[in-house]
Amino acid sequence: SQTIHQWPATLVQPVGSPLSLECTVEGTSNPNLYWYRQAAGRGLQLLFYSVGIGQISSEVPQNLSASRPQDRQFILSSKKLLLSDSGFYLCAWSALAGDGEQYFGPGTRLTVT
Amino acid sequence: GQQVMQIPQYQHVQEGEDFTTYCNSSTTLSNIQWYKQRPGGHPVFLIQLVKSGEVKKQKRLTFQFGEAKKNSSLHITATQTTDVGTYFCAGQRGTYKYIFGTGTRLKVLA
Repeated sequence: SQTIHQWPATLVQPVGSPLSLECTVEGTSNPNLYWYRQAAGRGLQLLFYSVGIGQISSEVPQNLSASRPQDRQFILSSKKLLLSDSGFYLCAWSALAGDGEQYFGPGTRLTVT
Repeated sequence: GQQVMQIPQYQHVQEGEDFTTYCNSSTTLSNIQWYKQRPGGHPVFLIQLVKSGEVKKQKRLTFQFGEAKKNSSLHITATQTTDVGTYFCAGQRGTYKYIFGTGTRLKVLA
């Protein structure tokens, strides 16, 4: 069966520090991968999606970047965090040839202080 | 820009009452999905609607996709405390991209 992992589960970082969040998927090949951010009590904002290794589409211009160094690994990064980067970061995958159903990871709760 | 709005933002109901959330898109959608997010958890897929005017049922949940493929609704009959959470619609825009709605947070009072 397929599983999706995210780490860390929680993170407290000072303003201006770098960020690296990792997401890995097991049990499937060539997944579509997504990064979303959810502010407290709000909806999900699509940040990046990837349909293959090295292929990244950015949805929102900001100080975040994403990379996909391996087929089932998706990384979200920042060189310098802002207070507004606080939120719940969710990684998701969907099957390349599937019906579009997205499977979400447990999320990383980031607080920038 | 592309927007998917949901109403109401919050809904408190007594256990046993019905609940409906509405999803409206500013543009036509290829299909629409519904997710449920329990407090402190991550979104979990409920269903996908593809055809204009489509209606699907899952036990006490009824999902509808509008004729113009720009709106959708989720209706829960006789709510239970296990229905608590935030319900999101997500519209597909293009091949791989999904725009999530603003969500409706449901509280069920026992």
